[in-house]
Amino acid sequence: GDSVTQMEGPVTLSEEAFLTINCTYTATGYPSLFWYVQYPGEGLQLLLKATKADDKGSNKGFEATYRKETTSFHLEKGSVQVSDSAVYFCALSTPGTYKYIFGTGTRLKVLA
Amino acid sequence: GAGVSQSPRYKVTKRGQDVALRCDPISGHVSLYWYRQALGQGPEFLTYFNYEAQQDKSGLPNDRFSAERPEGSISTLTIQRTEQRDSAMYRCASSLAGGIGPSGNTIYFGEGSWLTVV
Repeated sequence: GDSVTQMEGPVTLSEEAFLTINCTYTATGYPSLFWYVQYPGEGLQLLLKATKADDKGSNKGFEATYRKETTSFHLEKGSVQVSDSAVYFCALSTPGTYKYIFGTGTRLKVLA
Repeated sequence: GAGVSQSPRYKVTKRGQDVALRCDPISGHVSLYWYRQALGQGPEFLTYFNYEAQQDKSGLPNDRFSAERPEGSISTLTIQRTEQRDSAMYRCASSLAGGIGPSGNTIYFGEGSWLTVV
């Protein structure tokens, strides 16, 4: 069945460091890929998405590129801030279906 | 409303009691979803509505769990005879269209209802 695998956390970085959170997937067909973020005390929010191969999703300085050849959708940010501290979830949705498959989440902690 | 609204935000109940969790989706959203998220895990699909029709309930763990959306808007997830293993965050989400809608259809989540069964 479809699945999403994320790197385990927590990830602890200093402010202005480069961030990569790895995400790989297994899916039939050509899924859409998403990154959701949960800030402390808040709900789950869409951060960015990509719907086809080689698409790059971007938002708030975060980027992720849909790599079909490596079945990956790694999240990157060039310079993290303390306010980026949150839990990040990678997810997929297969066209023609309505279910989202989520990874287990990666907690990011950014230190001043 | 502006976003998906869920209530109660926090619920502590005794084992064996029934609980009802409410979800008010974004106005105009046809599709509604319930997910469950255990501590340290990602959300897992429970059930899906298209308007008032419950089109998929394959994720409901057993017959103590049920959901309804009688008028195609507000939905209620009911857990009967609660057990400690039911303790989790229950998330509702909505989208403009689901099912065979366009690929990449984005779903919007509410803040969730934390259920603790003691």
